[in-house]
Amino acid sequence: SQTIHQWPATLVQPVGSPLSLECTVEGTSNPNLYWYRQAAGRGLQLLFYSVGIGQISSEVPQNLSASRPQDRQFILSSKKLLLSDSGFYLCAWSLSYGYTFGSGTRLTVV
Amino acid sequence: DQQVKQNSPSLSVQEGRISILNCDYTNSMFDYFLWYKKYPAEGPTFLISISSIKDKNEDGRFTVFLNKSAKHLSLHIVPSQPGDSAVYFCAASPPGGGGADGLTFGKGTHLIIQP
Repeated sequence: SQTIHQWPATLVQPVGSPLSLECTVEGTSNPNLYWYRQAAGRGLQLLFYSVGIGQISSEVPQNLSASRPQDRQFILSSKKLLLSDSGFYLCAWSLSYGYTFGSGTRLTVV
Repeated sequence: DQQVKQNSPSLSVQEGRISILNCDYTNSMFDYFLWYKKYPAEGPTFLISISSIKDKNEDGRFTVFLNKSAKHLSLHIVPSQPGDSAVYFCAASPPGGGGADGLTFGKGTHLIIQP
């Protein structure tokens, strides 16, 4: 069966510090992978999309970047966090219709 | 421009009654619609979906209705139970799946089931 792991669950980071959130998928090959963010009072915003190793598409200009070093690994990074980067970050995978989400990371930038 | 709209940020329903969550969309290219349920500090979980070739899909206590001409869909939960208290997201997909655009989500409706 397919599973998706996302960590850490919560993270408190100072402004200006780096960020690395990791997501791994098991039980499937060559999935489409996504990073979403849910900011307070807002819906789910698509940040990055990947169809394969090293292939990253960004939906919105921002302080974040993503990488896919392996087929089932998706990493969200930042060199210097901003206060506005606070939110709930979700990794998801899909093969066609319907998405399976990870459990999310609550990031608080202080 | 918000292509998927959930105009009710919150909804309170008495236990045992029917909960009706509404969703409107503007993009006529969407052909597949999904509802996700989300508890605090957890990822959304898939609840039910409907293809644009149907107008109704039922799964146990959950029924989704689609009115293509009105670009409107609704999720009915009956009877409502305390465990249904959560945020519900409506999502829409273009033909072939989300692809580069991903799913387009509404802002969610917080459903509160009162005992």
